[in-house]
Amino acid sequence: SQKIEQNSEALNIQEGKTATLTCNYTNYSPAYLQWYRQDPGRGPVFLLLIRENEKEKRKERLKVTFDTTLKQSLFHITASQPADSATYLCALSNFGNEKLTFGTGTRLTIIP
Amino acid sequence: EPEVTQTPSHQVTQMGQEVILRCVPISNHLYFYWYRQILGQKVEFLVSFYNNEISEKSEIFDDQFSVERPDGSNFTLKIRSTKLEDSAMYFCASSDTGGKNSPLHFGNGTRLTVT
Repeated sequence: SQKIEQNSEALNIQEGKTATLTCNYTNYSPAYLQWYRQDPGRGPVFLLLIRENEKEKRKERLKVTFDTTLKQSLFHITASQPADSATYLCALSNFGNEKLTFGTGTRLTIIP
Repeated sequence: EPEVTQTPSHQVTQMGQEVILRCVPISNHLYFYWYRQILGQKVEFLVSFYNNEISEKSEIFDDQFSVERPDGSNFTLKIRSTKLEDSAMYFCASSDTGGKNSPLHFGNGTRLTVT
């Protein structure tokens, strides 16, 4: 069956350090993988999209990698700040498919 | 920045009643979606809508659910006869070129409570 797993339900990181979140998937052949942020009681907010032929994508303090051999994406936040505390979701769809499926999310807490 | 708006923010209804959740997607977007999130669980796909018809739906989206774009701006989700297990946060989303290769823009949801 198809699965999208995010490594840990909750992650606590000291302010200023790099937070690394993992997304693993099985039985998907995604052309694209996306990362979203969700704050309590709010809708997901898009952060980054990476294509299967891209190894790495950056946006300010965010970096995403995509390894289609390992079937894994890593999401990094460098110089983390308390305002980065949120749940982070990875999402992907199979090639040719409109449905974007979300992982279970990792709740990140940045400790001052 | 343009945003997706959803109304109401909270809806309480009795089991068996019909509810309509409303959304105004971003104006130049062509693809529309409904997702739901049961408390403490993951965001689940319900349905995608393009060119005035459903393009894809999940197993959750059974005969009790329907979607409509009644005019050029609104996108609605109707649940005909609500069940307790329909209690969840319902998110509307839109995108310009299709969710697989472009971002989804989500509203802040309608919290549906079925009693």
